Amino acid sequence: SQQGEEDPQALSIQEGENATMNCSYKTSINNLQWYRQNSGRGLVHLILIRSNEREKHSGRLRVTLDTSKKSSSLLITASRAADTASYFCASYTSGTYKYIFGTGTRLKVLA
Amino acid sequence: GAVVSQHPSWVICKSGTSVKIECRSLDFQATTMFWYRQFPKQSLMLMATSNEGSKATYEQGVEKDKFLINHASLTLSTLTVTSAHPEDSSFYICSARWQGANNEQFFGPGTRLTVL
Repeated sequence: SQQGEEDPQALSIQEGENATMNCSYKTSINNLQWYRQNSGRGLVHLILIRSNEREKHSGRLRVTLDTSKKSSSLLITASRAADTASYFCASYTSGTYKYIFGTGTRLKVLA
Repeated sequence: GAVVSQHPSWVICKSGTSVKIECRSLDFQATTMFWYRQFPKQSLMLMATSNEGSKATYEQGVEKDKFLINHASLTLSTLTVTSAHPEDSSFYICSARWQGANNEQFFGPGTRLTVL
């Protein structure tokens, strides 16, 4: 399969809690992006992390990258009901010129 | 900047007809465009990559005669689903990038296709 793996597949938390999603990919990468998708809608770009970076922050989002384990994680702190969505990672490898998406995590934040 | 649009946003058609979906880069010239397909509650699967002025490169298992892709200009790519059947019903998303864009892709809002 061309896809990367994400876990958990689904996550349900209370508002105010933190949510952590993990992504694993298969080949060496140049960068990895995280996206959010609300039900039936397009993708919203959240954050891009390059292979020479280990951690990146954007507001309530924190992304880490471990190239030795071929994995990345997305942490959403102080979650809100509006964060309810599916989250996807997409890894990019130079030479292929394309992104390979992970299987996604469906996050539900309960008010 | 880096806005990608798709048209139509949704379409319903009868089995056997063909449907064309447009993907436009509104404020940049897209040297490469990508077409993805997404089934409900599943991830995006890359269907094909198209470079302006050349034939699209299809992923394994994607029928090129079924899904015709044209990238005739630097701002427009089209995906035509020929002789559509109910199993072609899906969410189709395009993305675009320009040369030197730090390998970033910019996604369109998607097109929901329903074949009756």
